[in-house]
Amino acid sequence: DQQVKQNSPSLSVQEGRISILNCDYTNSMFDYFLWYKKYPAEGPTFLISISSIKDKNEDGRFTVFLNKSAKHLSLHIVPSQPGDSAVYFCAAGRGSSNTGKLIFGQGTTLQVKP
Amino acid sequence: ETGVTQSPTHLIKTRGQQVTLRCSSQSGHNTVSWYQQALGQGPQFIFQYYREEENGRGNFPPRFSGLQFPNYSSELNVNALELDDSALYLCASSLRLAGGTDTQYFGPGTRLTVL
Repeated sequence: DQQVKQNSPSLSVQEGRISILNCDYTNSMFDYFLWYKKYPAEGPTFLISISSIKDKNEDGRFTVFLNKSAKHLSLHIVPSQPGDSAVYFCAAGRGSSNTGKLIFGQGTTLQVKP
Repeated sequence: ETGVTQSPTHLIKTRGQQVTLRCSSQSGHNTVSWYQQALGQGPQFIFQYYREEENGRGNFPPRFSGLQFPNYSSELNVNALELDDSALYLCASSLRLAGGTDTQYFGPGTRLTVL
């Protein structure tokens, strides 16, 4: 049962344009969400998170939007840079469970072309 | 730089053997989580340790076990290795907050190959 899904395995964007990465979830008990970026041969790097009490969180070029009714979140990167090329994972957790368990999507490979 | 370190970087074992992977938490963190990442997949939660106790477990058999030490470093032990255990093993540290929400910071991982 895939509770967190990233339906687009890959995305290609021109440098300077917007990158939009999408993520859907099925468990309405999730109350916080995170995005990680992963380069080959490295561990995932934390990018940005959002609590379920918010619908938007912004940090520099990165903005995460949460639509709870649709059980959908997205990561916007503006402007996209070649160094953003990596695999992006969304993850969800339940703070109320107190286990710290994060459920990850399968990842989306972003390629930003110069 | 996350500050989370893992050792070894790579490891090759044969089926049936046992393996121990190690993780040092980021300074100031009190919680360690372990994940298994198979090729082409997202990380899968194995378990979490908080205050030296297992604090939650994913869908992994008992031959996957762990320890957390007073300095918050941690070990993942896997007994009776199977071919399907070949994966990248990731350790993540965090500072447990009220309500259990904690941003987890990952180490570089240990690549385990079981032959």
